[in-house]
Amino acid sequence: DVKVTQSSRYLVKRTGEKVFLECVQDMDHENMFWYRQDPGLGLRLIYFSYDVKMKEKGDIPEGYSVSREKKERFSLILESASTNQTSMYLCATGGYGTDTQYFGPGTRLTVL
Amino acid sequence: RKEVEQDPGPFNVPEGATVAFNCTYSNSASQSFFWYRQDCRKEPKLLMSVYSSGNEDGRFTAQLNRASQYISLLIRDSKLSDSATYLCVVNPNTGTASKLTFGTGTRLQVTL
Repeated sequence: DVKVTQSSRYLVKRTGEKVFLECVQDMDHENMFWYRQDPGLGLRLIYFSYDVKMKEKGDIPEGYSVSREKKERFSLILESASTNQTSMYLCATGGYGTDTQYFGPGTRLTVL
Repeated sequence: RKEVEQDPGPFNVPEGATVAFNCTYSNSASQSFFWYRQDCRKEPKLLMSVYSSGNEDGRFTAQLNRASQYISLLIRDSKLSDSATYLCVVNPNTGTASKLTFGTGTRLQVTL
């Protein structure tokens, strides 16, 4: 079974704080993704990575950065959190050459 | 026009009913299609892939109509446990492997 874990289920931060969200997978998957999910907007891709130290912008990268120093770990960084970044953040992984993605349980971030 | 469009519902059906959802996609070059299921406050999970020839998995049948650019999901003999949001997912074939576009979901509520 694919296992994708995220560092926190719930997180509350203040405006301007630097926020780290971490995702770890145990399936040796090359591809990793960060999404945010908001009511009425669905899942939107923030960043993805198809290899260690590689990253690509998704559809809404502004205000976010990512880091992938090891294959199993993909971090999402909010450099200076803002209230409009309050959302559910979902990490996903997928194997090379396949489309299927496996999701972590999500982190519900509230920025006050 | 959204890349992937779904009726948000909710679809309220009695147990045992048959229910069908449709989804349309805008990019005719899209190459892979899926239905994901998302329970309340949980992560999306792959329900089934959708092939041109159609495919069936127990009570679930998925169909793809490339000419009209729509995908359907049919659920027969609905169970209470089928209550969830069903996400239509498309690989738009943008040249970036494994990048998926998610619909906003159709909510199903099965009642006694």
